[in-house]
Amino acid sequence: ETGVTQTPRHLVMGMTNKKSLKCEQHLGHNAMYWYKQSAKKPLELMFVYNFKEQTENNSVPSRFSPECPNSSHLFLHLHTLQPEDSALYLCASSRVAGRNNEQFFGPGTRLTVL
Amino acid sequence: KQEVTQIPAALSVPEGENLVLNCSFTDSAIYNLQWFRQDPGKGLTSLLLIQSSQREQTSGRLNASLDKSSGRSTLYIAASQPGDSATYLCAVNEETSGSRLTFGEGTQLTVNP
Repeated sequence: ETGVTQTPRHLVMGMTNKKSLKCEQHLGHNAMYWYKQSAKKPLELMFVYNFKEQTENNSVPSRFSPECPNSSHLFLHLHTLQPEDSALYLCASSRVAGRNNEQFFGPGTRLTVL
Repeated sequence: KQEVTQIPAALSVPEGENLVLNCSFTDSAIYNLQWFRQDPGKGLTSLLLIQSSQREQTSGRLNASLDKSSGRSTLYIAASQPGDSATYLCAVNEETSGSRLTFGEGTQLTVNP
């Protein structure tokens, strides 16, 4: 266990549904990240939060809406997704954002959009 | 734009073999390089992190080397075991990219008993 938990582990949703992914870290870190891992493609960074403030948005469509209420929790709110959004969504945390801060990953949420 | 390539995409070996996984990157202005392991349907586990000023790092049966100028890294696994079966990912942290890690697509390793 890395100290980063994600729920749910699996999620199936229709294109008109609204759902949320949750990430929690127990490492005392101040930076949290969302990554997307699609089949046959490298991991892609989506969002970075540092001390609850969003510091990076990697041109992510607005149907993905992140929320970071405190340094330990990170959410990804999903609405009107497309089938091509089906992927493994990984959360990570690090002591602070910035280079040379090792990132620790959660187990991921496997999302299927029908 | 940084691109990270891992060769081979898949590798199957008998138990006990020593093996080498390769990672190359196009922009040598990196701050560090990290090797991860990913088990099917699971998250990433960090194996080794090499700073740009270092040449290699070792952890148990794993040894990672870095040649920054040529844009290459290798992960050497000694005396492979079936439990080593997983996908191995390398990622670079560029000097100008802050937190951003650029990942390769991974090498899927199967170690047969």
